[in-house]
Amino acid sequence: GAVVSQHPSRVICKSGTSVKIECRSLDFQATTMFWYRQFPKKSLMLMATSNEGSKATYEQGVEKDKFLINHASLTLSTLTVTSAHPEDSSFYICSAATWAGANVLTFGAGSRLTVL
Amino acid sequence: GENVEQHPSTLSVQEGDSAVIKCTYSDSASNYFPWYKQELGKRPQLIIDIRSNVGEKKDQRIAVTLNKTAKHFSLHITETQPEDSAVYFCANPTGGQNFVFGPGTRLSVLP
Repeated sequence: GAVVSQHPSRVICKSGTSVKIECRSLDFQATTMFWYRQFPKKSLMLMATSNEGSKATYEQGVEKDKFLINHASLTLSTLTVTSAHPEDSSFYICSAATWAGANVLTFGAGSRLTVL
Repeated sequence: GENVEQHPSTLSVQEGDSAVIKCTYSDSASNYFPWYKQELGKRPQLIIDIRSNVGEKKDQRIAVTLNKTAKHFSLHITETQPEDSAVYFCANPTGGQNFVFGPGTRLSVLP
């Protein structure tokens, strides 16, 4: 089945630094990937839709200059949290869709970001 | 926009009993209905899904039933085991490739 790899799984950084999270589709090509943020005991909140070769589509309220998304190939999307602050600490998850009569989402393992 | 609700928000059952979680959605054009299981700190994993052309689908102890008229679908887990303890999310496609997720149901299976 489809496999999505996400790295790093955990990252701790100092306030003001930038952190890059990678999301790779291992055995399929993903023209579209999604980035979510999940707060403790909460649901998945879509941040942006990442489209290969074009600009990402951000959800309302998500700062595009804060959360930079790059989808330079059919198997890799990256999320960069720029000038991170403690309030950016969260669990970030990516997903990619494969077609099986309907779009089926496969998730990465998630990245827990802690900003000190 | 699309609205997805789940009930109950938390559910505790004794090991061996059944658990049912209901998901209601607002988009009548939806044709795909998945359920995801997320263990603490892990990725959501698809456990069962159903297309709109069938009313029920079963996979061992897990089943999903769909009522398109009433716009809800339910997850049924029979003979619950401690490893079934997790948060369960339903989701509904938005018309593009993305999904709107329900708020989640925390299931606890008590030994």
